Amino acid sequence: GQNIDQPTEMTATEGAIVQINCTYQTSGFNGLFWYQQHAGEAPTFLSYNVLDGLEEKGRFSSFLSRSKGYSYLLLKELQMKDSASYLCAPAAGANNLFFGTGTRLTVIP
Amino acid sequence: EAGVAQSPRYKIIEKRQSVAFWCNPISGHATLYWYQQILGQGPKLLIQFQNNGVVDDSQLPKDRFSAERLKGVDSTLKIQPAKLEDSAVYLCASSFGTGDNQPQHFGDGTRLSIL
Repeated sequence: GQNIDQPTEMTATEGAIVQINCTYQTSGFNGLFWYQQHAGEAPTFLSYNVLDGLEEKGRFSSFLSRSKGYSYLLLKELQMKDSASYLCAPAAGANNLFFGTGTRLTVIP
Repeated sequence: EAGVAQSPRYKIIEKRQSVAFWCNPISGHATLYWYQQILGQGPKLLIQFQNNGVVDDSQLPKDRFSAERLKGVDSTLKIQPAKLEDSAVYLCASSFGTGDNQPQHFGDGTRLSIL
């Protein structure tokens, strides 16, 4: 079966750094995706990790540890527009994604 | 590049009625997905197509839901008859293929309300 665990909500201050953790258990594993979803909008792709380690892309970085079933998304220099839900989605099989419930991040001034 | 197109944007029906959603994927994307997203939850895969063939429909409630992608491009998802618990956003996504690291690109979804 599939199990994905993320914090439900987080709050952080504009300009700060925030780390959103995700633990997962899946039958089969082909990498892990992170998506951003603003309220009422479609999810948009942020990052993909398949090997252990850190992938950096501008203000966003994502880390994966396959042996621990653990990933995190790191957001630096937070901006108000970063207020959104962040979805952790391990992939299995033919690019099948299993989404967690997401972490709702609120950035405050 | 045009994104994934979905229509209608919103739909309100009464329980036991029928409804259909339409999706046009990004040009050249062979793989198409339909997801159901209930408020406060992550998207749940309903069905995945590779061209006009079904790859995975294990979570599709087949007694009331059906989907097709006859020519391997556009797709329709139908619910007949609708139940109250079907109130959700129905998201369509597409990807270039089913290989690793192929990000899925989502449409804006159809928000379905069942009265």
